[in-house]
Amino acid sequence: DSGVTQTPKHLITATGQRVTLRCSPRSGDLSVYWYQQSLDQGLQFLIQYYNGEERAKGNILERFSAQQFPDLHSELNLSSLELGDSALYFCASSPRGAGGPYEQYFGPGTRLTVT
Amino acid sequence: GDSVTQMEGPVTLSEEAFLTINCTYTATGYPSLFWYVQYPGEGLQLLLKATKADDKGSNKGFEATYRKETTSFHLEKGSVQVSDSAVYFCALLHAGANNLFFGTGTRLTVIP
Repeated sequence: DSGVTQTPKHLITATGQRVTLRCSPRSGDLSVYWYQQSLDQGLQFLIQYYNGEERAKGNILERFSAQQFPDLHSELNLSSLELGDSALYFCASSPRGAGGPYEQYFGPGTRLTVT
Repeated sequence: GDSVTQMEGPVTLSEEAFLTINCTYTATGYPSLFWYVQYPGEGLQLLLKATKADDKGSNKGFEATYRKETTSFHLEKGSVQVSDSAVYFCALLHAGANNLFFGTGTRLTVIP
């Protein structure tokens, strides 16, 4: 158990809908990262937050957004969902923002299925 | 840009066989290198890491050596078990950077 929790474990929704994925980092970790794992794109970095502020952006679509709250949990919001958004979404946390290398500890993931 | 290339899978081995999963990288400077493992239905777990050239990371019988001259970080295990069946990901991280770059993953199946 990495100490990173994600909810829900599975999510099934229809095209055009909006969903929110939640992540709680390991105790004491200030950074949260979101990754998308899909069959065609592999594991891709989406976005990072550090102590409540956006720190880095990767291949994140404009339909997707995230935030990190004062208690350090993070939410990834996916809107206007398309079939191609079906994937496993992982959250990871690490102690620092950058300047590492600091290992990233991954949660179990949320499997999103868009029908 | 940075990239990680892993050997194509899937790899199927008999129990107690020797395992090698190749990983090469392209990056400027001196990144840190990682192997993550994903067991069926689970998230990614850090298996081992190396932060500088010639470092050897090891864990649970797995080893990988950071080879700067060949830009490689091949994963090896002398005797695999059925419980090692999983997908293995090679990844790199630059000091000062924020995200891991992952390879495509290699699925390993170990049969009794």
